[in-house]
Amino acid sequence: SQQGEEDPQALSIQEGENATMNCSYKTSINNLQWYRQNSGRGLVHLILIRSNEREKHSGRLRVTLDTSKKSSSLLITASRAADTASYFCAPAGANNLFFGTGTRLTVIP
Amino acid sequence: EPEVTQTPSHQVTQMGQEVILRCVPISNHLYFYWYRQILGQKVEFLVSFYNNEISEKSEIFDDQFSVERPDGSNFTLKIRSTKLEDSAMYFCASSVGSRNTEAFFGQGTRLTVV
Repeated sequence: SQQGEEDPQALSIQEGENATMNCSYKTSINNLQWYRQNSGRGLVHLILIRSNEREKHSGRLRVTLDTSKKSSSLLITASRAADTASYFCAPAGANNLFFGTGTRLTVIP
Repeated sequence: EPEVTQTPSHQVTQMGQEVILRCVPISNHLYFYWYRQILGQKVEFLVSFYNNEISEKSEIFDDQFSVERPDGSNFTLKIRSTKLEDSAMYFCASSVGSRNTEAFFGQGTRLTVV
């Protein structure tokens, strides 16, 4: 399968806490991307990490990549209610972007 | 900020009818995609398009589906004879490059087949 599999499927935290989502994949990749989807809306690109990178930051987002374990994690620090959404990883290899079922994050104010 | 636009936002059609979903990708992008998402399920890849031809398609993208770039700005998805199970959100996306660059998604067209 070319898609990523996110874990957990659902995550509920209090505002201000950190949220960690994990992604596992099976194929070799050039990069791995994380996207966010608000309910019923289009996906929004968050961050791209290349296969030769181990960690990347963007604002409150921190992404790690372990190509030996074929896994990635997305950390959102100091979460806000507005972070409530579904988060998808998309391993990008020889083919196009394929998405898994996502992690549904709920941040409680 | 440039964005991908899709029309209509909601389309209701009778089973067996043809529908055309329209997308205007970002102007300097070269790669175009269609995805669909059945309510509550994952975002599924349908097709990618580059240099005026399909570069990849999924098993979902059967003979009932076709894509076209009729002019320099529009990118369309046609479903020839809709089925109830085609009811879903359809997302168009575009990117400057292929898999190594981020994809920009439109807000989707909700297709309801009755």
